[in-house]
Amino acid sequence: DAGITQSPRHKVTETGTPVTLRCHQTENHRYMYWYRQDPGHGLRLIHYSYGVKDTDKGEVSDGYSVSRSKTEDFLLTLESATSSQTSVYFCAISAPGTSGANVLTFGAGSRLTVL
Amino acid sequence: EDKVVQSPLSLVVHEGDTVTLNCSYEVTNFRSLLWYKQEKKAPTFLFMLTSSGIEKKSGRLSSILDKKELSSILNITATQTGDSAIYLCAVADQGAQKLVFGQGTRLTINP
Repeated sequence: DAGITQSPRHKVTETGTPVTLRCHQTENHRYMYWYRQDPGHGLRLIHYSYGVKDTDKGEVSDGYSVSRSKTEDFLLTLESATSSQTSVYFCAISAPGTSGANVLTFGAGSRLTVL
Repeated sequence: EDKVVQSPLSLVVHEGDTVTLNCSYEVTNFRSLLWYKQEKKAPTFLFMLTSSGIEKKSGRLSSILDKKELSSILNITATQTGDSAIYLCAVADQGAQKLVFGQGTRLTINP
């Protein structure tokens, strides 16, 4: 998957517990993204990062935080998981300044179930 | 706020048919429109259309951008069962390095 690894790939947790999803890339791309995918909604942006320690909110950021301490790693944290956060989470990367500047490459996804 | 709407949301056809998927968008400063195919896992890139490249073709798939109508179509001719997937449309704004996606069209090709 073009040098993007997501972990864990599947997780079942209980309401109120913290959860961290990890995205690791080996492409040295500057931009990294977290999207969630739910039936009827397509892909919705949660947070994105444009460099180490540089992050910004997407359209559905409530209840989520992110951190990027290294170029290769982008972490998504649910401080207190709720059932509405049951979803499939995709990490993506892109390399602006190239001919395919807006082309995002996606990881395999992490399926999270909150009971 | 940027917005992308795809239609139909779901489509079932027979193998060999030709299908047309639609994507309309609202964006402040249009930069590009992208089509992705999603089978079981991650979305995979198909085409990117820009003001300087409004038509793309790859085998049985082709796409056209209509900047006047703020829309795009994805055509698939002589469909095969392997074309069954969710097709996603996304747009990028000039000022933002991120994509806004539509809801997707679930295409099912029956043998």
